[in-house]
Amino acid sequence: SQKIEQNSEALNIQEGKTATLTCNYTNYSPAYLQWYRQDPGRGPVFLLLIRENEKEKRKERLKVTFDTTLKQSLFHITASQPADSATYLCALGGTLTFGKGTMLLVSP
Amino acid sequence: DAGVIQSPRHEVTEMGQEVTLRCKPISGHNSLFWYRQTMMRGLELLIYFNNNVPIDDSGMPEDRFSAKMPNASFSTLKIQPSEPRDSAVYFCASSLAGPEYEQFFGPGTRLTVL
Repeated sequence: SQKIEQNSEALNIQEGKTATLTCNYTNYSPAYLQWYRQDPGRGPVFLLLIRENEKEKRKERLKVTFDTTLKQSLFHITASQPADSATYLCALGGTLTFGKGTMLLVSP
Repeated sequence: DAGVIQSPRHEVTEMGQEVTLRCKPISGHNSLFWYRQTMMRGLELLIYFNNNVPIDDSGMPEDRFSAKMPNASFSTLKIQPSEPRDSAVYFCASSLAGPEYEQFFGPGTRLTVL
C-alpha cells in the first residue's frame, strides 16, 4: 500500500529564514499533492495543491515543488514569521492519505 | 457560510456505550469525508461520500463503526459499542466536488472512551 512520510521531528528556525519541509511517498504515483496547515485544537486548513505536471507552485510566501522521479514534495515558507508556527501536513492525491505532519516552530 | 459544523465538540463516554457524531457540511459541497486523528496514527480517512453515496469506506475500522448521509446537509458517524482505543479527534470535512478540491475541515469532536 502507499506510504507517505514527513519529518517526524519538529523544525525550529529563526524568524526571517526560509523553512523547508519534506514529504516523501512510496508505492504510488499521485496525480497531485496537497499541503495543509493545522494549528493546535483545530482542523487542517488547505494551503496548496500541486499537480504531477507542475514542477513548482507559489502562493505569497509559500512555494511547493513536486519531483515525481524522487517521489518527493518540498514545501517552503520564505521570510518565516512566528505566526507560521503550526503543523504542516501533506496528502497524496487520489488516496486521501495524509502524512503525520511536521511541526514548524519559528522563533522571534 | 459558517463552515463545516460538527457536534458535539467533546464527548466523554464509557466503554460499551453508543456514540454518535454529527456533521453539517458547507452548503453546495457534494463531497463529505470523515477522518480520525491520533498522535500514533496521524490523520486517517474513515469514509468518503459523494452526492450522499459512500464511495470509499475502506478506512472504517470494523463493524462497530457506521456512517450515514441521509441528505446533502447532514451526516453521522456512529460507534457501537465504543472502546477505549476509539479515543481520538474525529474530523468531518467537505469539498465542492471530490478529494481533488480543497477540503474544508470542521473543528473536530474530541472523543474520550473510558
